[in-house]
Amino acid sequence: ETGVTQTPRHLVMGMTNKKSLKCEQHLGHNAMYWYKQSAKKPLELMFVYNFKEQTENNSVPSRFSPECPNSSHLFLHLHTLQPEDSALYLCASRQRGRASTEAFFGQGTRLTVV
Amino acid sequence: DQQVKQNSPSLSVQEGRISILNCDYTNSMFDYFLWYKKYPAEGPTFLISISSIKDKNEDGRFTVFLNKSAKHLSLHIVPSQPGDSAVYFCAASASSNSGYALNFGKGTSLLVTP
Repeated sequence: ETGVTQTPRHLVMGMTNKKSLKCEQHLGHNAMYWYKQSAKKPLELMFVYNFKEQTENNSVPSRFSPECPNSSHLFLHLHTLQPEDSALYLCASRQRGRASTEAFFGQGTRLTVV
Repeated sequence: DQQVKQNSPSLSVQEGRISILNCDYTNSMFDYFLWYKKYPAEGPTFLISISSIKDKNEDGRFTVFLNKSAKHLSLHIVPSQPGDSAVYFCAASASSNSGYALNFGKGTSLLVTP
């Protein structure tokens, strides 16, 4: 248990569905991230939130929509996804302002788009 | 453009011997480097880190070496144990980046055989 909880752990959705991934951290961190891990690729940074404000969007398609209502919660809203969006989606948190700290990851959500 | 590279996708080592995992980076602004270990269907877990002001950091069986002039770091595991079998990711961040997001390599799959 790393203090970062992601739900659901597994999700299968059709291309016309709308679903949301949830991330919650209990570490008091002020930066949260969404990463995507596809097979044989590095972890790809999708979004960065600092103090609830989005500071980075790494050219992510608009069918992925993040939301950060407070510094402890992060959502990733999904709609009209494509099969190639099937991947492991990882949430992480880190204490901003202290560069020499590690990020803590959740267990991930294994998403399958059919 | 990938800024953190792990050129060996896999490595097999006998139990008790040394495992050496390598990582190269291109961004000279990176000043903090980390190694993560990942099991299938789980999020990465932090293993060890090193600041750019150091060239070596040791924690038990794990040692990370940093060669800034070569933009290269390595993780040594001595002695290797079967439980060390996992995918190891190298990551780097720059304190000049407001989000302190981690940039990851593709990972090296380590197999430690009895």
